[in-house]
Amino acid sequence: SQQGEEDPQALSIQEGENATMNCSYKTSINNLQWYRQNSGRGLVHLILIRSNEREKHSGRLRVTLDTSKKSSSLLITASRAADTASYFCATAGSSNTGKLIFGQGTTLQVKP
Amino acid sequence: EPEVTQTPSHQVTQMGQEVILRCVPISNHLYFYWYRQILGQKVEFLVSFYNNEISEKSEIFDDQFSVERPDGSNFTLKIRSTKLEDSAMYFCASRRTPATGELFFGEGSRLTVL
Repeated sequence: SQQGEEDPQALSIQEGENATMNCSYKTSINNLQWYRQNSGRGLVHLILIRSNEREKHSGRLRVTLDTSKKSSSLLITASRAADTASYFCATAGSSNTGKLIFGQGTTLQVKP
Repeated sequence: EPEVTQTPSHQVTQMGQEVILRCVPISNHLYFYWYRQILGQKVEFLVSFYNNEISEKSEIFDDQFSVERPDGSNFTLKIRSTKLEDSAMYFCASRRTPATGELFFGEGSRLTVL
């Protein structure tokens, strides 16, 4: 099944450092998205990269997509304590329902 | 900024009881979804809904589950006879465009089945 799997499962860094999270998936995709979830809260969309794109930037976020390896990475530069959250990749396939399949997520802790 | 709202934020129920979780999607959105997240685990797709009918459902979404859009604004998820394993956070989401683009999520309804 089409499924995003992320690594690492947990990441702990100091404020100011960069955080990199990776996501792998199994089947062809239309696009891949990253979401953030603060503890006990809903998911918030961060960035979307389409299958014909290789890299995308949004503020301190940089996403890459390698469709040949079926993988993506999310880089958060100059991390802040407020970036502490869980980050999920989600893939959209060819289904016209727009269903997203989420990965296991990476829990990021940024220490002040 | 428009947002997806969900009620209740937390519901505790006894096993075997019926539960209805409510969602008000963003007003001009046309595609609606329910997802669930068991504590500490990943977000799982339950069902998608468009044009007043289910467009896709997962294996989790068995006969105990149903969805409805009764009045053009609310979007409800009903669990007919809850089981212990239904304890989870349930998220409603919506979007305007069909196959691409971000999903807008509500804050979730935490369901605890005792």
